[in-house]
Amino acid sequence: KQEVTQIPAALSVPEGENLVLNCSFTDSAIYNLQWFRQDPGKGLTSLLLIQSSQREQTSGRLNASLDKSSGRSTLYIAASQPGDSATYLCAVTGRLGTSGSRLTFGEGTQLTVNP
Amino acid sequence: SAVISQKPSRDICQRGTSLTIQCQVDSQVTMMFWYRQQPGQSLTLIATANQGSEATYESGFVIDKFPISRPNLTFSTLTVSNMSPEDSSIYLCSVVLGQGAQHFGDGTRLSIL
Repeated sequence: KQEVTQIPAALSVPEGENLVLNCSFTDSAIYNLQWFRQDPGKGLTSLLLIQSSQREQTSGRLNASLDKSSGRSTLYIAASQPGDSATYLCAVTGRLGTSGSRLTFGEGTQLTVNP
Repeated sequence: SAVISQKPSRDICQRGTSLTIQCQVDSQVTMMFWYRQQPGQSLTLIATANQGSEATYESGFVIDKFPISRPNLTFSTLTVSNMSPEDSSIYLCSVVLGQGAQHFGDGTRLSIL
């Protein structure tokens, strides 16, 4: 059974800092990995999708990496801003044909960026 | 990306009643899912909504408690039946779009008194 762990559970940084959020998963047979953002009382916003054959994806100030063999992913946020404050969730999809497109989520990292 | 609309956005219900949540997508999609997010926790998959056939439920979730309809490729409903306080959660629908990315609606915040 796939298990996803995110470290740290919470992080508070001053504005302008670069930061790294960590995600690890136990079963390396994944189809893809997604990073999401969840604002309080809101749904999930997809940030980045990394296919199992890729090593990283970038979108603006965000960069996500994937090391499938070691079961790890990182989300790098450059020059953090107060608007980045949210909970960040990592989720992996099992191989199609075995578990369809079921996402297994980590518990999330609650990020606070202080002005 | 698609626009995914959920109704209602929130509700407060009495114990023992049922509530049906709607999920509408602005494009045809093959795969739709229903998730639950209990307070302070991450998301757990309830079921896959299959068009034209019964939903596929995850371990711990049953059709009698969470009946699901999927009448076409743009719409699905999830009913939370015979509600108890333990059902207080956020319920979210999601769809799979190009490249295998999942996208979520804004969720339905349900409180049971």
